[in-house]
Amino acid sequence: AQSVAQPEDQVNVAEGNPLTVKCTYSVSGNPYLFWYVQYPNRGLQFLLKYITGDNLVKGSYGFEAEFNKSQTSFHLKKPSALVSDSALYFCAVRDQNAGNMLTFGGGTRLMVKP
Amino acid sequence: GAGVSQSPSNKVTEKGKDVELRCDPISGHTALYWYRQSLGQGLEFLIYFQGNSAPDKSGLPSDRFSAERTGGSVSTLTIQRTQQEDSAVYLCASSDPAGGTDTQYFGPGTRLTVL
Repeated sequence: AQSVAQPEDQVNVAEGNPLTVKCTYSVSGNPYLFWYVQYPNRGLQFLLKYITGDNLVKGSYGFEAEFNKSQTSFHLKKPSALVSDSALYFCAVRDQNAGNMLTFGGGTRLMVKP
Repeated sequence: GAGVSQSPSNKVTEKGKDVELRCDPISGHTALYWYRQSLGQGLEFLIYFQGNSAPDKSGLPSDRFSAERTGGSVSTLTIQRTQQEDSAVYLCASSDPAGGTDTQYFGPGTRLTVL
């Protein structure tokens, strides 16, 4: 069975500072990894994904994530946070050998303060 | 281009009633997914349709839940005899597996409240 852990319910950062939202995963096969963002009363918006290739993946709005196979992690990062980045962030995994559905982490609320 | 659309955006119903939730996927996407987002359970997979293949129903929580996809496009999720624990946001997503990326794109969701 596949699983995703987001160990922090909330991350607080000051505007202009770098941010990291943590994600670790567990799959039996090779993982496809995704980050989504959810703004209030909205659906999930795709940010970025890792399928294969370079471990550092760049996505929308200046976000990036680094795939680390040995640590089974896929942390989301941004060099300089904006107040408008405040939202709920979800990490998700799909096992290449176990169907097409995504398994999501519990979500991390990012609060960026001016 | 148009994204995934869902209707209604909000639905309030009484316990025991049946409800139908609709999803219009992105044009050309052959895969369609339903997920449920609730406070207690987070985001859970419900059901997956791919083309003309039999759907993967492994995430449906009970036999009160069913879904169909007509003509390979629009999908309807039906919940019979609703219970208070069915209250949640129901999210639909679609993807294009043949495109090689298979990224799932989500609609805005339907918020279901069972009184």
